[in-house]
Amino acid sequence: AQSVTQPDARVTVSEGASLQLRCKYSYSGTPYLFWYVQYPRQGLQLLLKYYSGDPVVQGVNGFEAEFIKSNSSFHLRKASVHWSDSAVYFCAVSASSSFSKLVFGQGTSLSVVP
Amino acid sequence: GPKVLQIPSHQIIDMGQMVTLNCDPVSNHLYFYWYKQILGQQMEFLVNFYNGKVMEKSKLFKDQFSVERPDGSYFTLKIQPTALEDSAVYFCASSFGGANTEVFFGKGTRLTVV
Repeated sequence: AQSVTQPDARVTVSEGASLQLRCKYSYSGTPYLFWYVQYPRQGLQLLLKYYSGDPVVQGVNGFEAEFIKSNSSFHLRKASVHWSDSAVYFCAVSASSSFSKLVFGQGTSLSVVP
Repeated sequence: GPKVLQIPSHQIIDMGQMVTLNCDPVSNHLYFYWYKQILGQQMEFLVNFYNGKVMEKSKLFKDQFSVERPDGSYFTLKIQPTALEDSAVYFCASSFGGANTEVFFGKGTRLTVV
């Protein structure tokens, strides 16, 4: 069965600083990997996804993530954060054979401070 | 972008009563999902639904739960009877295709069973 671990429940960074949110997954097959963001009182929005090919995938708003198979990781990065990036970020994995059944991590709450 | 609408945003129900959570998925989508998130925990898959049938369900999808989409209208999650442990935020989602297509989420319905 698939599982996702986001080891950092809360992360605080200064505006303009770089960001990395960690995600490790467990799945024996070929995973589909996702990062979603949830702003207050909003639904989940897809930031980026990895299916195959280039292990570094670009997403919206300057976010990117790198799939490292040997480490079972899919960390999210951003070079320079903005206060509007404050939100909860969820990493998720989907089995390639399923009907988009997503397994989520527990989420990382990001606070960007002045 | 495409929106999944969930009505109502918050519902309070007496334990043992029936509740129906409504979801208006993206209009041309064919796959529908419910996820459950208990406060402070990760979002967990409940069920997916395609072509009028449940395709896959998790162990969280108890016998008291049912889903349907009568006549292509709202996609509903019914809980009958409700229990205290059903208190959570329920997220509806939809996608056009299966495993490799984007899943769109609603804002969630917070269900409180008292």
